[in-house]
Amino acid sequence: GIQVEQSPPDLILQEGANSTLRCNFSDSVNNLQWFHQNPWGQLINLFYIPSGTKQNGRLSATTVATERYSLLYISSSQTTDSGVYFCAVGAVQGAQKLVFGQGTRLTINP
Amino acid sequence: GAVVSQHPSRVICKSGTSVKIECRSLDFQATTMFWYRQFPKKSLMLMATSNEGSKATYEQGVEKDKFLINHASLTLSTLTVTSAHPEDSSFYICSARSGTSGGSNEQFFGPGTRLTVL
Repeated sequence: GIQVEQSPPDLILQEGANSTLRCNFSDSVNNLQWFHQNPWGQLINLFYIPSGTKQNGRLSATTVATERYSLLYISSSQTTDSGVYFCAVGAVQGAQKLVFGQGTRLTINP
Repeated sequence: GAVVSQHPSRVICKSGTSVKIECRSLDFQATTMFWYRQFPKKSLMLMATSNEGSKATYEQGVEKDKFLINHASLTLSTLTVTSAHPEDSSFYICSARSGTSGGSNEQFFGPGTRLTVL
């Protein structure tokens, strides 16, 4: 099946810094989603981005499907941005299933 | 829009009992729902795919007789953990997809159910 690799596994930054999270995948996809998991476990949809670029406030994402990677950018980080960020992909041959990466744990210090 | 609820949010039960978890799409019809399991500090693992009106498709290694899934309507799927044991303790999360063929594949997730089996 499709493989999903996120990097870095952990990232510690000071408030106000910018960060880039990466998601590599091993096959063609028709779904790619970025999530932020809050301390209570809820997955917050950040982007649905199987291709192209999107922006939402301080967050933006780019997926280059032909090169099989996606990037999540967080600018001017705030302490509330802390948490685990997951990338999940759906393979074209994957029957709508999402396969999750292992996540990036982001810690923003004041 | 695209809100998914789960009930209960937390449940504690004795070993050997069965527990039912409900997943509802509140503002859209979900032709397909999914059930995931997450262990502490780990990623989400898909357990099964549930299509309205048909049998669920289970992932390799998931016991279908232990984790019973029913997708009785376009807004409700249930997961029943039968004869629960302490190793079944975990965080269970459902998701729903509203898109039909040719539409969006985006999934929306419920808030999760934390199951503790004593």
